[in-house]
Amino acid sequence: QKEVEQDPGPLSVPEGAIVSLNCTYSNSAFQYFMWYRQYSRKGPELLMYTYSSGNKEDGRFTAQVDKSSKYISLFIRDSQPSDSATYLCAMKAAGNKLTFGGGTRVLVKP
Amino acid sequence: DSGVTQTPKHLITATGQRVTLRCSPRSGDLSVYWYQQSLDQGLQFLIQYYNGEERAKGNILERFSAQQFPDLHSELNLSSLELGDSALYFCASSVGQGGDTIYFGEGSWLTVV
Repeated sequence: QKEVEQDPGPLSVPEGAIVSLNCTYSNSAFQYFMWYRQYSRKGPELLMYTYSSGNKEDGRFTAQVDKSSKYISLFIRDSQPSDSATYLCAMKAAGNKLTFGGGTRVLVKP
Repeated sequence: DSGVTQTPKHLITATGQRVTLRCSPRSGDLSVYWYQQSLDQGLQFLIQYYNGEERAKGNILERFSAQQFPDLHSELNLSSLELGDSALYFCASSVGQGGDTIYFGEGSWLTVV
């Protein structure tokens, strides 16, 4: 079993819809949680960074962390075709390497 | 633009050959990370250097080696290349050794034929 599980998708939504992404993990030592967006054959771009549990909002993006359930989520409101990309969750324990999920491919249709 | 620079962007080489990938971290960042991304394996951590010293090692093959120089740029050397080494190789950097965010370069696309 992988340390971080993420549905590969693809997740197809109409423009303007809410995109809901999530990851589950098994390592209770993870404290730092991130979401990256990766366009095809480009470098991953950091979207959201959260420490420990709770919610964080940045524009159209909301990240949620539920450490008790070992579950993290990313919501994208008012989705645009330009949001079409692969979204990678990543997490780490203090001082350790970043562990990535496999990524979810998202397609926002005009 | 993340500020992390990688060269070359693309390269094609034959099996058995050796290549060197180069990375310049963001200004002020002391840590450099190397990742490999292939279609079937996702993003795999290879190795981390902090201020010239190796800090963490992941799934890096013995045929691969890396180093970080005094000016903080890093090189990843891949030798005795096999077809299965074809992948995107990313460099990333961060200010500290851990607990902070890392920023990725655009990657070096390696094709082994």
